[in-house]
Amino acid sequence: NAGVTQTPKFQVLKTGQSMTLQCAQDMNHEYMSWYRQDPGMGLRLIHYSVGAGITDQGEVPNGYNVSRSTTEDFPLRLLSAAPSQTSVYFCASSYGGSRTGELFFGEGSRLTVL
Amino acid sequence: QQQVKQSPQSLIVQKGGISIINCAYENTAFDYFPWYQQFPGKGPALLIAIRPDVSEKKEGRFTISFNKSAKQFSLHIMDSQPGDSATYFCAAMHQGGKLIFGQGTELSVKP
Repeated sequence: NAGVTQTPKFQVLKTGQSMTLQCAQDMNHEYMSWYRQDPGMGLRLIHYSVGAGITDQGEVPNGYNVSRSTTEDFPLRLLSAAPSQTSVYFCASSYGGSRTGELFFGEGSRLTVL
Repeated sequence: QQQVKQSPQSLIVQKGGISIINCAYENTAFDYFPWYQQFPGKGPALLIAIRPDVSEKKEGRFTISFNKSAKQFSLHIMDSQPGDSATYFCAAMHQGGKLIFGQGTELSVKP
């Protein structure tokens, strides 16, 4: 059982480049979300989705785009990378709009923007 | 603004001691308060959680204390072990499903 799978694990970008972080879950979870983790800032919510076709903004959405065409996949797109987007990104999912509360996290994608 | 404030940022405890991490929140709409544990190179994983209708929840060596009137909650780790060394995050959830995390506490348990 794979759980939440994120790719790539590591990525280096130049300022202005675009890229997509992939996230897939095989638990049939309705709720999926993206966080970024920075020292001293904790985990900050970027975007989230309560089901296929439905997305919404979190705490720090600027510079990121998401879509949810299937239950399984929730890619995060960086439109024009900036050094401030250097971070570790985590995708997470849970059952039924997260009412149960337990988020299952992937192992993270470490992004460096030069 | 930070909706969930966590302290301390780092904590060093001797083996067998008690580790205490505190969190405070602003929004009274939060209705679920979990704690997550994260080991280096891994994603966070749920450790223990509480809803605001109870004041305390205990699972093994881990206890959450919750003070609804003060809008504060804390994690107590009894008989702390070196294997407990990790980063701990408190969090709070809106009814809409968004989980908002605190800043994290890096715990080191010395043998």
